[in-house]
Amino acid sequence: EVQLVESGGDFVQPGGSLRVSCAVSGFTFSDYEMNWVRQAPGKGLEWISYISSSGITTYYADSVKGRFTISRDNAKNSLYLQMNHLRADDTAVYYCARVSRDSAKRGWLDPWGQGTLVTVSS
Amino acid sequence: DIQMTQSPSSLSASVGDRVTITCRASQSISNYLNWYQQRPGKAPKLLIYGASGLQRGVPSRFSGRGSGTDFTLTISSLQLEDFATYYCQQSYSIPALTFGGGTKVEFK
Repeated sequence: EVQLVESGGDFVQPGGSLRVSCAVSGFTFSDYEMNWVRQAPGKGLEWISYISSSGITTYYADSVKGRFTISRDNAKNSLYLQMNHLRADDTAVYYCARVSRDSAKRGWLDPWGQGTLVTVSS
Repeated sequence: DIQMTQSPSSLSASVGDRVTITCRASQSISNYLNWYQQRPGKAPKLLIYGASGLQRGVPSRFSGRGSGTDFTLTISSLQLEDFATYYCQQSYSIPALTFGGGTKVEFK
């Protein structure tokens, strides 16, 4: 069974740092691109970061660029998001999600983890 | 950046109703459009990929149509478990993905 399990969410003060993780199982992790998507309380979904299967290529939404770093350890079947200089508006549930593609290279996110809550407040 | 606009933002319906949700892209995205369902307190779940492809295990009452800038998600006969929030998402500019604002389907 394919599984993605996030962990590391916590309560942190503004300006602080936190690393969340996503442990995967049930598929060959090193074959897949991965993403982080977040959802602020009562709000919609916001894509924030992408990493290629090798880990060489990364992309970020403008809202987190320069503050967040995505990484992966294919040997440990794990995805990470290092979050620095956290702000109150970073408060959200953070989901990891796998990219699947078809022969036309169209992509979609499936499956998703259950999410981990990050709360930034003084 | 490609913007995705969903309408309506919410709707009220009854079991058995036919429900249609619309998603519009700010530029042509061909059929690089996906739909997700999110139940309260749960992670999003893929329903439709490539505008009209039904994800394995998703009931056939769900269908997607469209190409270019205009897309629809239709639930042919609403069931109790379908009361949820639905999001469209473009993957034309992958890896930069964009979601619509969501449509909450509520019980009338």
